[in-house]
This record gives sequence, C-alpha cells and structure tokens, in this order.
Amino acid sequence: GEQVEQRPPHLSVREGDSAVIICTYTDPNSYYFFWYKQEPGAGLQLLMKVFSSTEINEGQGFTVLLNKKDKQLSLNLTAAHPGDSAVYFCAADTNAYKVIFGKGTHLHVLP
Amino acid sequence: VTLLEQNPRWRLVPRGQAVNLRCILKNSQYPWMSWYQQDLQKQLQWLFTLRSPGDKEVKSLPGADYLATRVTDTELRLQVANMSQGRTLYCTCSAERGLGGLQDTQYFGPGTRLLVL
Repeated sequence: GEQVEQRPPHLSVREGDSAVIICTYTDPNSYYFFWYKQEPGAGLQLLMKVFSSTEINEGQGFTVLLNKKDKQLSLNLTAAHPGDSAVYFCAADTNAYKVIFGKGTHLHVLP
Repeated sequence: VTLLEQNPRWRLVPRGQAVNLRCILKNSQYPWMSWYQQDLQKQLQWLFTLRSPGDKEVKSLPGADYLATRVTDTELRLQVANMSQGRTLYCTCSAERGLGGLQDTQYFGPGTRLLVL
C-alpha cells in the first residue's frame, strides 16, 4: 500500500542550529501534504498545509520544501529553539481523501 | 479557545472490557468530526468521519474494535472494544469534509489515552 517514510526518528540539535526532517512518499497522486507538531501530552497542531503545486513554503521560523520529482517533503527549522522540541509528523493526502502519516520525528533542541 | 473537549482524558481498561469515549464540539463552524488513533509507536491513523446526528460506523483494526456515533451536532462518541494494545484516540473537527483526509481548518482535541490492564 501507499507509504510515507519519515526520517530521522530522533533528532537532537543545539539552540540556533537548523533541524531538517524529511518525508518520502510513494503515491504520485498525493495532492496535499501536511506538517504537524505534537508537544508532550498534547494533540496535533497544524504547522502547514502544502499543495502539490507549490515547491517552497515559508512559515514562521521554518521552510517546507516539496520535491515532486523525488517525492520528498522536508521541514527545515532554520534556527531551532527549545520551544521547538516536540514530535513532528508529516502526512500525505491523495485526492481520494486518504491520508497517510509518517511515523514521526522526536526533535530535541538543547539550550 | 478550545474547540474540542474529550473525556475521559485517560482510562485503564481491563482486558475484554469496552470503554466509551466522548467528544464535545464547542464551535459549530467546524461540524465535520472525526476520530483518529495513535498507537504506542506513535503511528497515526484515521478511523471515522461523521457529520450528521444518527450517523454510525464500525471498524476493526489490529488491537481494537470501534463503533463511532454522531449523537448530536455537538457530540461524537466512540466505543472501543476488544482492545489488546494501548492507544490514544483523538477527536478532530473541521469546516470541510475529509474522509481520511486532513483539512487546513481541522483541529485536534487533546486526546484520550487508553491503557490495557
């Protein structure tokens, strides 16, 4: 079946450094992509929804890149701070309204 | 502002017993309500999307059987039975329809964590 592989599963960076999380999807019909942040004991918070037509998406303190040729979606936190410590999930959604989640990346930002 | 209230927030479930979960919608602008499960390995999976009072659906997944009911415009319920592995159930609401999909106006509740005794 369709899959979304997310890496790395764990990531530790120092405050001020960048952090990059990459998802590789298999369904070429994936049309929407999402990044979610989950803080300890909390539900999921949407960071960004990306359409397949947009390759570069700027958020507050992060950039999301979509490479359709390689079927990769990446989240780049440009200058991480301790408040960014959380589990991050990517998800890919086909036109058939079926969403597949990645397995998550535990990001730990050291002060 | 909290859009969704879930209760209970956690529950120890004796093996073989069913448990009933509730989700209350606080803002009628997001009437499409869904359930998602997150297993102990953090893997997320859509379960149901129910829009209208009276809608019911059942589903069996590895480790649990589910019955979802849209009780009213503001209440969604989930019965979890035959649970063999712990999990967290999230209720979501959205302004638009999404059957297994996600919407940019979709919001997650705080979750109900279930552990098997």
